[in-house]
Amino acid sequence: AQSVTQLGSHVSVSEGALVLLRCNYSSSVPPYLFWYVQYPNQGLQLLLKYTSAATLVKGINGFEAEFKKSETSFHLTKPSAHMSDAAEYFCAVIGAGGTSYGKLTFGQGTILTVHP
Amino acid sequence: DAGVTQSPTHLIKTRGQHVTLRCSPISGHKSVSWYQQVLGQGPQFIFQYYEKEERGRGNFPDRFSARQFPNYSSELNVNALLLGDSALYLCASSLVPTPNTEAFFGQGTRLTVV
Repeated sequence: AQSVTQLGSHVSVSEGALVLLRCNYSSSVPPYLFWYVQYPNQGLQLLLKYTSAATLVKGINGFEAEFKKSETSFHLTKPSAHMSDAAEYFCAVIGAGGTSYGKLTFGQGTILTVHP
Repeated sequence: DAGVTQSPTHLIKTRGQHVTLRCSPISGHKSVSWYQQVLGQGPQFIFQYYEKEERGRGNFPDRFSARQFPNYSSELNVNALLLGDSALYLCASSLVPTPNTEAFFGQGTRLTVV
């Protein structure tokens, strides 16, 4: 079975500081990994996705993530936080085989707070 | 182009009642999935439909059912509502239900069971 674990339910940074949101995955097959963002009372918006084409993935709004197979990690980073980045972020893995094919499995989420 | 639209946006139901949630996918998308997001948790997979056929079901009781119509819109039905069914219900659509195809989410329906 596949799963993702997000380390840290809350992360707080100052505006302009580095953002680092951690995600580790468990998958018996090469995974397809995603980061989504959710603003209050809204649905999910895709930030970026890893589909094995490149280990460093660039997404929208200046975010990027690096796939590290040796560490089973897919951490999300942004060099300089902006107030508008305050939201909840979800790491997700999608099934590539068996009964989980095409279904997203989400982590518990990390709430990012940005202080002025 | 319109994104994924869900209706209603909010509703309040009493325990034991039935509820129907609706989802219209992006034009041209043939796959619809439903997710339940309880406050403070990540979304949990409920159902996936493709070409009007159920392609997968998550670990939810039989009180939950869904269907997809010829125009690819979808309904999620929940019978005998429990307080624990209170959640944000998200619909996602994609062209096809393959791992490398992006899923687009609607704004969700906030269900409160009292």
